[in-house]
Amino acid sequence: GAVVSQHPSRVICKSGTSVKIECRSLDFQATTMFWYRQFPKKSLMLMATSNEGSKATYEQGVEKDKFLINHASLTLSTLTVTSAHPEDSSFYICSCQRQSNEKLFFGSGTQLSVL
Amino acid sequence: QKEVEQNSGPLSVPEGAIASLNCTYSDRGSQSFFWYRQYSGKSPELIMSIYSNGDKEDGRFTAQLNKASQYVSLLIRDSQPSDSATYLCAVIVGSARQLTFGSGTQLTVLP
Repeated sequence: GAVVSQHPSRVICKSGTSVKIECRSLDFQATTMFWYRQFPKKSLMLMATSNEGSKATYEQGVEKDKFLINHASLTLSTLTVTSAHPEDSSFYICSCQRQSNEKLFFGSGTQLSVL
Repeated sequence: QKEVEQNSGPLSVPEGAIASLNCTYSDRGSQSFFWYRQYSGKSPELIMSIYSNGDKEDGRFTAQLNKASQYVSLLIRDSQPSDSATYLCAVIVGSARQLTFGSGTQLTVLP
């Protein structure tokens, strides 16, 4: 069964609205969660790394005020795309890691379409 | 130089053949290496992980690691049309121990 639960799987929203994506680790406590974005036919781009109880570390070029990440517990992280615009339309994927140097378990992804 | 490099392909092989996917990395201190498979519109799924030099076999898949030459490869034996996907090489690099992905190789297995 799924180790990481991510929802919603698909969101269609109007420009200017905010969208929240949830990522839950089901089978273990994830010390670290990662958020990726993927454009069509492109590889995964790391957006931010979050550790439970601390502020997320954002990659260069990713606006922290636009992509709000909350890692409230060892099993839940949320990504909120604030005031979404069409250029934010993408496939967003979360992943969880139990310990550093271990493999990542990926959520099923969220396809965001901003009209 | 990119930290993790893959040939983007596309790579086409006939059904039943061996598909060979290659990946090079720049951080000589890297210790953990992974191959993920991603179908279109889906999230990546882990196929193999490898941590030491040599070969690691799992069913039809064999991962090969050569730290001296800084490359890791994935062999798929008896390729099936269902193996058609993008294969992502991932390496834990840098002092931040961050998992970095290659750009992926698109594989098509022709029936």
